[in-house]
Amino acid sequence: AQSVTQLGSHVSVSEGALVLLRCNYSSSVPPYLFWYVQYPNQGLQLLLKYTTGATLVKGINGFEAEFKKSETSFHLTKPSAHMSDAAEYFCAVKSPMNFGNEKLTFGTGTRLTIIP
Amino acid sequence: DAGITQSPRHKVTETGTPVTLRCHQTENHRYMYWYRQDPGHGLRLIHYSYGVKDTDKGEVSDGYSVSRSKTEDFLLTLESATSSQTSVYFCAIRASGPQKETQYFGPGTRLLVL
Repeated sequence: AQSVTQLGSHVSVSEGALVLLRCNYSSSVPPYLFWYVQYPNQGLQLLLKYTTGATLVKGINGFEAEFKKSETSFHLTKPSAHMSDAAEYFCAVKSPMNFGNEKLTFGTGTRLTIIP
Repeated sequence: DAGITQSPRHKVTETGTPVTLRCHQTENHRYMYWYRQDPGHGLRLIHYSYGVKDTDKGEVSDGYSVSRSKTEDFLLTLESATSSQTSVYFCAIRASGPQKETQYFGPGTRLLVL
């Protein structure tokens, strides 16, 4: 079984400061990993993903994340926060074995607030 | 936005009534999913479909049924709605080609069961 833990249900950072949202996973095999963002009253939008290859992945809006197998982590970062980054962020994992493993397992989300 | 629409976008209903939510996609994707989103739980998979008339259960399927009679439509039915089914429901598709491991989500349906 796979699971995702997002540390910190609420994170506040000042505009221009570093954004760090934490995600740790548990999986029997190295999974596929995703970060989604949800703005109020909207659906989820893919920020970035890791499947194979380079462990540092870059996404939209200046975000990036690094897959660290030894730490079972996939933390999301952005060097300089912008007011428009205020949203809820979800980390998700999926088994790389498709048949019978269709489920995306989501973390409980981190609400990011940007302080002017 | 992967061409996904959901209807209705908002619904208020009473306990014990049947409710059907519709997900429509325009890009012929084989895989479609229904999730529910609740505070403190993230999103949880209800059912998914891997083709016309081919469906399977997710982790929170009790009280829900689905149907897929054509590629573009995936229906979620609450046979007899309960207050515990008050939630936001999201439909998703799994992309094909280079993005084939990625799920893309619709705008959601907010359901209130009184």
